[in-house]
Amino acid sequence: QVTLKESGPVLVKPTETLTLTCTVSGFSLSNARMGVSWIRQPPGKALEWLAHIFSNDEKSYSTSLKSRLTISKDTSKSQVVLTMTNMDPVDTATYYCARIRGSGWLEIDYWGQGTLVTVSS
Amino acid sequence: DIQMTQSPSSLSASVGDRVTITCRASQSISSYLNWYQQKPGKAPKLLIYAASSLQSGVPSRFSGSGSGTDFTLTISSLQPEDFATYYCQQSYSTPGFGPGTKVDIK
Repeated sequence: QVTLKESGPVLVKPTETLTLTCTVSGFSLSNARMGVSWIRQPPGKALEWLAHIFSNDEKSYSTSLKSRLTISKDTSKSQVVLTMTNMDPVDTATYYCARIRGSGWLEIDYWGQGTLVTVSS
Repeated sequence: DIQMTQSPSSLSASVGDRVTITCRASQSISSYLNWYQQKPGKAPKLLIYAASSLQSGVPSRFSGSGSGTDFTLTISSLQPEDFATYYCQQSYSTPGFGPGTKVDIK
Protein backbone atom coordinates (compact mmCIF):
# COMPACT_ATOMS: atom_id res chain seq x y z
CA GLN A 1 0.00 0.00 0.00
CA VAL A 2 1.53 3.26 -1.17
CA THR A 3 1.32 6.17 1.24
CA LEU A 4 2.96 9.58 1.48
CA LYS A 5 2.82 11.82 4.52
CA GLU A 6 3.90 15.43 4.81
CA SER A 7 5.30 16.86 8.01
CA GLY A 8 6.57 20.26 9.01
CA PRO A 9 5.53 23.49 10.69
CA VAL A 10 1.98 24.74 10.39
CA LEU A 11 3.04 28.34 10.97
CA VAL A 12 6.09 30.18 9.75
CA LYS A 13 7.03 33.86 9.96
CA PRO A 14 7.75 36.03 6.96
CA THR A 15 11.38 35.76 5.77
CA GLU A 16 11.84 32.40 7.51
CA THR A 17 12.79 29.19 5.73
CA LEU A 18 10.20 26.42 5.45
CA THR A 19 11.34 22.81 5.64
CA LEU A 20 8.86 20.09 4.75
CA THR A 21 9.46 16.36 4.91
CA CYS A 22 7.63 13.72 2.92
CA THR A 23 7.85 10.20 4.32
CA VAL A 24 6.85 7.50 1.87
CA SER A 25 5.95 3.86 2.29
CA GLY A 26 4.89 1.08 -0.03
CA PHE A 27 7.55 1.90 -2.59
CA SER A 28 11.23 2.74 -2.62
CA LEU A 29 12.77 6.05 -3.59
CA SER A 30 15.29 3.99 -5.51
CA ASN A 31 12.62 2.45 -7.79
CA ALA A 32 13.66 3.09 -11.37
CA ARG A 33 12.03 6.15 -12.95
CA MET A 34 9.79 6.87 -9.98
CA GLY A 35 9.85 10.26 -8.41
CA VAL A 36 8.34 12.46 -5.76
CA SER A 37 7.00 15.92 -6.34
CA TRP A 38 5.90 18.79 -4.16
CA ILE A 39 2.79 20.66 -5.19
CA ARG A 40 0.99 23.43 -3.36
CA GLN A 41 -2.45 24.97 -3.40
CA PRO A 42 -3.30 28.34 -1.83
CA PRO A 43 -6.76 28.43 -0.25
CA GLY A 44 -9.39 28.51 -2.98
CA LYS A 45 -6.83 28.58 -5.76
CA ALA A 46 -5.26 26.25 -8.30
CA LEU A 47 -2.55 23.67 -7.93
CA GLU A 48 1.06 24.75 -8.43
CA TRP A 49 3.92 22.33 -9.15
CA LEU A 50 6.96 23.25 -7.10
CA ALA A 51 9.65 20.64 -7.62
CA HIS A 52 10.31 16.98 -8.19
CA ILE A 53 13.12 14.50 -7.75
CA PHE A 54 13.66 11.14 -9.39
CA SER A 55 15.29 7.95 -8.18
CA ASN A 56 18.48 8.82 -10.08
CA ASP A 57 18.57 12.15 -8.15
CA GLU A 58 17.52 14.18 -11.20
CA LYS A 59 15.76 17.32 -9.96
CA SER A 60 13.49 19.93 -11.48
CA TYR A 61 12.11 23.17 -10.08
CA SER A 62 9.36 25.63 -10.85
CA THR A 63 10.89 28.35 -12.98
CA SER A 64 9.33 31.14 -10.92
CA LEU A 65 10.39 29.70 -7.55
CA LYS A 66 13.66 28.03 -8.47
CA SER A 67 15.83 30.48 -6.55
CA ARG A 68 13.98 29.71 -3.32
CA LEU A 69 13.57 25.93 -3.51
CA THR A 70 15.77 22.96 -2.73
CA ILE A 71 14.62 19.36 -2.98
CA SER A 72 16.57 16.37 -1.73
CA LYS A 73 15.99 12.77 -0.75
CA ASP A 74 17.25 10.27 1.76
CA THR A 75 16.53 6.87 0.28
CA SER A 76 17.48 5.00 3.45
CA LYS A 77 14.88 6.98 5.43
CA SER A 78 12.30 6.97 2.60
CA GLN A 79 12.11 10.73 2.87
CA VAL A 80 12.04 13.65 0.48
CA VAL A 81 12.71 17.11 1.87
CA LEU A 82 11.71 20.46 0.38
CA THR A 83 13.07 23.74 1.65
CA MET A 84 11.68 27.10 0.62
CA THR A 85 13.48 30.24 1.69
CA ASN A 86 12.24 33.76 2.39
CA MET A 87 8.64 32.79 3.08
CA ASP A 88 5.92 35.37 2.46
CA PRO A 89 2.23 35.46 3.32
CA VAL A 90 1.42 34.67 -0.34
CA ASP A 91 3.11 31.30 0.24
CA THR A 92 0.28 30.31 2.58
CA ALA A 93 -1.03 27.09 1.06
CA THR A 94 -1.65 23.40 1.47
CA TYR A 95 1.57 21.64 0.49
CA TYR A 96 1.28 18.16 -0.99
CA CYS A 97 3.91 15.59 -1.69
CA ALA A 98 3.00 13.07 -4.35
CA ARG A 99 4.41 10.13 -6.28
CA ILE A 100 5.32 10.38 -9.92
CA ARG A 101 4.56 6.96 -11.29
CA GLY A 102 7.49 6.68 -13.64
CA SER A 103 5.74 5.81 -16.87
CA GLY A 104 7.29 8.82 -18.58
CA TRP A 105 4.26 11.09 -18.50
CA LEU A 106 5.01 12.58 -15.06
CA GLU A 107 1.56 11.67 -13.87
CA ILE A 108 0.86 11.66 -10.14
CA ASP A 109 -0.77 8.44 -9.02
CA TYR A 110 -0.57 8.85 -5.23
CA TRP A 111 -0.86 11.97 -3.10
CA GLY A 112 -0.26 12.76 0.52
CA GLN A 113 -3.07 14.28 2.53
CA GLY A 114 -1.44 17.69 2.38
CA THR A 115 -0.29 20.02 5.12
CA LEU A 116 -1.53 23.58 5.50
CA VAL A 117 1.27 26.05 6.04
CA THR A 118 0.37 29.56 7.12
CA VAL A 119 2.82 32.42 6.79
CA SER A 120 2.14 35.14 9.30
CA SER A 121 3.96 37.23 11.85
CA ASP B 1 7.30 28.28 -19.50
CA ILE B 2 4.33 26.58 -21.09
CA GLN B 3 1.05 28.21 -20.05
CA MET B 4 -2.09 26.14 -19.63
CA THR B 5 -5.60 27.48 -19.95
CA GLN B 6 -8.90 25.73 -19.30
CA SER B 7 -12.39 26.51 -20.42
CA PRO B 8 -14.86 27.03 -19.08
CA SER B 9 -13.65 28.08 -15.64
CA SER B 10 -16.88 26.75 -14.22
CA LEU B 11 -20.02 25.08 -15.43
CA SER B 12 -23.33 23.97 -14.05
CA ALA B 13 -24.70 20.65 -15.21
CA SER B 14 -27.27 18.04 -14.31
CA VAL B 15 -26.88 14.38 -13.54
CA GLY B 16 -26.80 12.50 -16.81
CA ASP B 17 -25.42 15.41 -18.84
CA ARG B 18 -22.47 15.04 -21.16
CA VAL B 19 -19.73 17.41 -20.02
CA THR B 20 -16.69 18.55 -21.97
CA ILE B 21 -13.79 20.52 -20.52
CA THR B 22 -11.09 21.99 -22.72
CA CYS B 23 -7.42 22.50 -21.91
CA ARG B 24 -5.08 24.45 -24.17
CA ALA B 25 -1.30 24.71 -24.04
CA SER B 26 0.65 27.76 -25.18
CA GLN B 27 2.84 25.52 -27.35
CA SER B 28 2.75 21.97 -28.54
CA ILE B 29 3.09 19.42 -25.75
CA SER B 30 2.48 16.29 -27.86
CA SER B 31 0.46 13.98 -25.59
CA TYR B 32 2.11 15.03 -22.33
CA LEU B 33 -1.17 15.92 -20.69
CA ASN B 34 -2.79 14.50 -17.56
CA TRP B 35 -6.18 15.17 -15.97
CA TYR B 36 -7.09 15.21 -12.28
CA GLN B 37 -10.29 15.50 -10.26
CA GLN B 38 -10.27 17.29 -6.92
CA LYS B 39 -13.05 17.41 -4.36
CA PRO B 40 -13.13 20.01 -1.57
CA GLY B 41 -10.65 19.33 1.18
CA LYS B 42 -9.16 16.34 -0.65
CA ALA B 43 -6.03 15.67 -2.65
CA PRO B 44 -6.46 15.42 -6.41
CA LYS B 45 -7.09 12.10 -8.10
CA LEU B 46 -5.58 11.02 -11.40
CA LEU B 47 -8.18 10.36 -14.09
CA ILE B 48 -6.37 10.39 -17.43
CA TYR B 49 -2.68 10.28 -18.35
CA ALA B 50 -0.89 10.65 -21.65
CA ALA B 51 -3.90 12.62 -22.93
CA SER B 52 -6.18 9.63 -23.44
CA SER B 53 -5.18 6.72 -21.19
CA LEU B 54 -7.68 5.93 -18.47
CA GLN B 55 -6.16 5.46 -15.04
CA SER B 56 -6.91 2.08 -13.48
CA GLY B 57 -10.09 2.13 -11.42
CA VAL B 58 -11.51 5.27 -13.04
CA PRO B 59 -15.00 4.83 -14.52
CA SER B 60 -15.18 4.54 -18.28
CA ARG B 61 -17.51 7.55 -18.50
CA PHE B 62 -14.33 9.63 -18.28
CA SER B 63 -12.32 9.99 -21.47
CA GLY B 64 -9.59 12.23 -22.76
CA SER B 65 -8.52 13.25 -26.23
CA GLY B 66 -6.25 15.63 -28.05
CA SER B 67 -2.61 16.22 -28.85
CA GLY B 68 -0.41 19.16 -29.63
CA THR B 69 -2.04 22.17 -28.00
CA ASP B 70 -5.72 21.28 -27.61
CA PHE B 71 -7.14 18.67 -25.28
CA THR B 72 -10.52 17.69 -23.92
CA LEU B 73 -11.82 15.78 -20.93
CA THR B 74 -15.29 14.34 -21.45
CA ILE B 75 -17.67 12.91 -18.90
CA SER B 76 -20.23 11.00 -20.92
CA SER B 77 -22.97 10.91 -18.29
CA LEU B 78 -22.39 13.05 -15.23
CA GLN B 79 -22.90 11.29 -11.91
CA PRO B 80 -23.46 12.88 -8.48
CA GLU B 81 -19.93 11.99 -7.39
CA ASP B 82 -18.44 13.84 -10.39
CA PHE B 83 -19.19 17.31 -9.05
CA ALA B 84 -15.67 18.56 -8.43
CA THR B 85 -12.89 20.69 -9.86
CA TYR B 86 -10.88 19.32 -12.77
CA TYR B 87 -7.29 20.23 -13.56
CA CYS B 88 -5.12 19.50 -16.56
CA GLN B 89 -1.36 19.16 -16.11
CA GLN B 90 1.30 19.31 -18.80
CA SER B 91 4.48 17.30 -18.40
CA TYR B 92 6.24 18.18 -21.65
CA SER B 93 8.55 20.56 -19.84
CA THR B 94 8.69 21.81 -16.25
CA PRO B 95 5.27 20.54 -15.16
CA GLY B 96 2.39 22.89 -14.65
CA PHE B 97 -1.33 22.81 -14.04
CA GLY B 98 -4.20 24.58 -15.65
CA PRO B 99 -6.36 26.95 -13.57
CA GLY B 100 -9.10 24.38 -13.08
CA THR B 101 -12.73 23.91 -14.10
CA LYS B 102 -15.34 23.67 -11.40
CA VAL B 103 -18.31 21.47 -12.19
CA ASP B 104 -21.30 22.08 -9.98
CA ILE B 105 -24.94 21.12 -9.84
CA LYS B 106 -27.42 22.97 -12.00
